[in-house]
Order: sequence, then C-alpha cells, then structure tokens
Amino acid sequence: GAVVSQHPSWVICKSGTSVKIECRSLDFQATTMFWYRQFPKQSLMLMATSNEGSKATYEQGVEKDKFLINHASLTLSTLTVTSAHPEDSSFYICSAYSGVMDYTFGSGTRLTVV
Amino acid sequence: ELKVEQNPLFLSMQEGKNYTIYCNYSTTSDRLYWYRQDPGKSLESLFVLLSNGAVKQEGRLMASLDTKARLSTLHITAAVHDLSATYFCAVDSNYQLIWGAGTKLIIKP
Repeated sequence: GAVVSQHPSWVICKSGTSVKIECRSLDFQATTMFWYRQFPKQSLMLMATSNEGSKATYEQGVEKDKFLINHASLTLSTLTVTSAHPEDSSFYICSAYSGVMDYTFGSGTRLTVV
Repeated sequence: ELKVEQNPLFLSMQEGKNYTIYCNYSTTSDRLYWYRQDPGKSLESLFVLLSNGAVKQEGRLMASLDTKARLSTLHITAAVHDLSATYFCAVDSNYQLIWGAGTKLIIKP
C-alpha cells in the first residue's frame, strides 16, 4: 500500500531555533500535501495545504512566516517551524493525497520545544 | 461550512459488549472515512465509505453510511481490549478532510 515517510518521529529543540519536518511519499506522487497539528486529546487541526510547485494555503490563524511549507516535488514536502517556542510543542502529522491512493498519513512528529 | 459531529466523545465498555459510535455531518459529501489512533501514534485507516448504504466490515468493526441522514456509524461487536483507541470520522469536502472530535474508546477486561 501507499506509504508516507515522515521524519523525524520526535525532536527536542531549544527555544528560538528552527526545526524541519519532512514528509516523503515513497511509492506514489502526491498532488496535495496536508499538514496537521494535534494537541493532546484533541482532533486534528489543519494548518495548511500545499500543491507541488505552488505556495501553500494556510488556514486562518496559522502564521505562514512561522510555519514554512515547501512542496518542491510530487514526492516531498517539508514543514519548517521557525523560531520555535514552547507553545509550538505539539504532534505534527502530514497527509499526502493522490487520486489513486487517496489520503495517506505520515507517522507523525512529536515536537518538544524547551 | 461543513461540520462533523461525533458521539460519544468517550466510551468505556466491558469486553464482549457491543456498541456504536455515531458520526453526523452537516452537508453532502462523497466520501466518509474512519480512522483509528493509538496514543502517541498517527492515524490508521479503517474504512472509506463512498455511497449511500455502503457497509464495510473488518473483524469486529463494521461501518455504514446513510447519506440521506448524513450519518455514519462504527459498530463494535464483542469488544476486545485491543480495540481500545481513539476513533475519528472524517468527511471529504472538496478534497479536504473535515474531522470529528474523536471518540476515546476504553475496553476493560
């Protein structure tokens, strides 16, 4: 089946530094990549949607300058959390969509900012 | 704006019992999904329901879709401890998933 590889699975960083999370579709081309954030005991919150080669569309309230999304190819999308602060600590999940494979989720990244 | 309401939000049940999780949505949609999430993990796809009257079963889980009532159900038969998890329904709205709040299911031996 379709696989989306998400790395790292967990990361601890110091406040003020930047962290990059990578999602790669291994055996299919993703026309669209979704980035979610999940707080403990809550549902998924969509942060942004990106299509290969174009700028990401951010949901209301999500700072585009803080959460940089790059969708350089049909198999790779990255989320960079810039100048991270403790309130950015969360579980981040990517989801790749293709018409054939439907929605496929990465394994998630647990970000802790200290 | 499409809204997805899931209930109950929390369910504690004994092994061997049956129960149903409900997922209501507010506007028409072509596809409805059910996912399972274990603590600290990402989402595991359970079912995709595409049409009115669709019913899918996998082991002790059975999902159904009534598009006229805008209702999907996830039925658990003879629950076992391994089914303890959080279950989410999500509705596709113009190629974007709208999520229910999730149902945390605890199955006690």
